[in-house]
Amino acid sequence: LAKTTQPISMDSYEGQEVNITCSHNNIATNDYITWYQQFPSQGPRFIIQGYKTKVTNEVASLFIPADRKSSTLSLPRVSLSDTAVYYCLVGALNTGFQKLVFGTGTRLLVSP
Amino acid sequence: DAGVIQSPRHEVTEMGQEVTLRCKPISGHNSLFWYRQTMMRGLELLIYFNNNVPIDDSGMPEDRFSAKMPNASFSTLKIQPSEPRDSAVYFCASSLGALGINNQETQYFGPGTRLLVL
Repeated sequence: LAKTTQPISMDSYEGQEVNITCSHNNIATNDYITWYQQFPSQGPRFIIQGYKTKVTNEVASLFIPADRKSSTLSLPRVSLSDTAVYYCLVGALNTGFQKLVFGTGTRLLVSP
Repeated sequence: DAGVIQSPRHEVTEMGQEVTLRCKPISGHNSLFWYRQTMMRGLELLIYFNNNVPIDDSGMPEDRFSAKMPNASFSTLKIQPSEPRDSAVYFCASSLGALGINNQETQYFGPGTRLLVL
């Protein structure tokens, strides 16, 4: 069961790049790393997922070092609408009884 | 697609009453998850179904909680009797397949049910 640790909060300004790091020292071989975004009064929304190295999509990049004990979500040129809570999720479910665990989340505040 | 549908969106009840939360997953999705979110404990997975079968219910807090998935398009989470500490936002999510090592499945969350037990 991989426990994750993230900063509780981060502040940024519009147009800047934001990097949020998640620690998951006990990550298992089968575990994927997934990041979700949550706005107030809404359910979490998938941002990006990776297993190793680097993954990039239209909204973010995910950097995973070789030892996979941490990962960094990178948001390029944030806007006010990126203000949300970001969760790092580590785990996979198969026929066993592993439990997906969301971290405490990082509250990102983007200011003008 | 309308996405994951949950009802009711808000529920206020008194301690001791039975509460039933409902979820309709995205059509064609084979996995369904129930989560609970509170300020103190964050987002917790309660139970996970795959092909209507409960796979992992280790997150269900106690016997007062039960979940069913009678068919692929409907699930319920029941709390009986409810207690004030059950107050939380309950989310239902679904994914296309099972979350295994070879499946990079995204979970799609519903809007949640905000439950207040007085």
